[in-house]
Amino acid sequence: AQSVAQPEDQVNVAEGNPLTVKCTYSVSGNPYLFWYVQYPNRGLQFLLKYITGDNLVKGSYGFEAEFNKSQTSFHLKKPSALVSDSALYFCAVRDSRGSARQLTFGSGTQLTVLP
Amino acid sequence: KAGVTQTPRYLIKTRGQQVTLSCSPISGHRSVSWYQQTPGQGLQFLFEYFSETQRNKGNFPGRFSGRQFSNSRSEMNVSTLELGDSALYLCASSLGAGSALEQYFGPGTRLTVT
Repeated sequence: AQSVAQPEDQVNVAEGNPLTVKCTYSVSGNPYLFWYVQYPNRGLQFLLKYITGDNLVKGSYGFEAEFNKSQTSFHLKKPSALVSDSALYFCAVRDSRGSARQLTFGSGTQLTVLP
Repeated sequence: KAGVTQTPRYLIKTRGQQVTLSCSPISGHRSVSWYQQTPGQGLQFLFEYFSETQRNKGNFPGRFSGRQFSNSRSEMNVSTLELGDSALYLCASSLGAGSALEQYFGPGTRLTVT
């Protein structure tokens, strides 16, 4: 079975400071990892993904994520947060093996960037 | 290129009724997935369709069903609505059926069951 954990329900950071949103995963094969962002009353927007290769993945809006196989983590980062980054962030995983092809999402982390 | 569209955006139904939600994927996308989002359960996978075939199904009762048409548009149906079916229903499309492909989400249909 595949699963994702986002240990923090809420993350607050001051504008201009670096931000990190944490994600850990569990799969039996190799993971395909994704980050999405959701603004109020909107669907999810794709930010970035890790499939293979470099552990540091760059995505939209200045976000990046670091894949760490030994720690089974895929934390989302941004060097300098903006107030407009305030939103709900979801990490998701698919196992590269097995019959379960659906995306499994974490519970989400509400990011608030304070001016 | 137009994004994923879902209709209607908002819906109010009474317990026991049935409802049909519609999703038009991004042009050229052949895979459509449906999710239910609630504050308590988060995002839960309902089903996935590719080339008019259901490829995967989540852990939902048989009251939830779906289909995909030859133009890749998809519908989901919920029969005998219950109060607990109140949720945001999200549709997502991707180019194909590959596991490494990202999904693109529509704005959702907000269903309220009274």
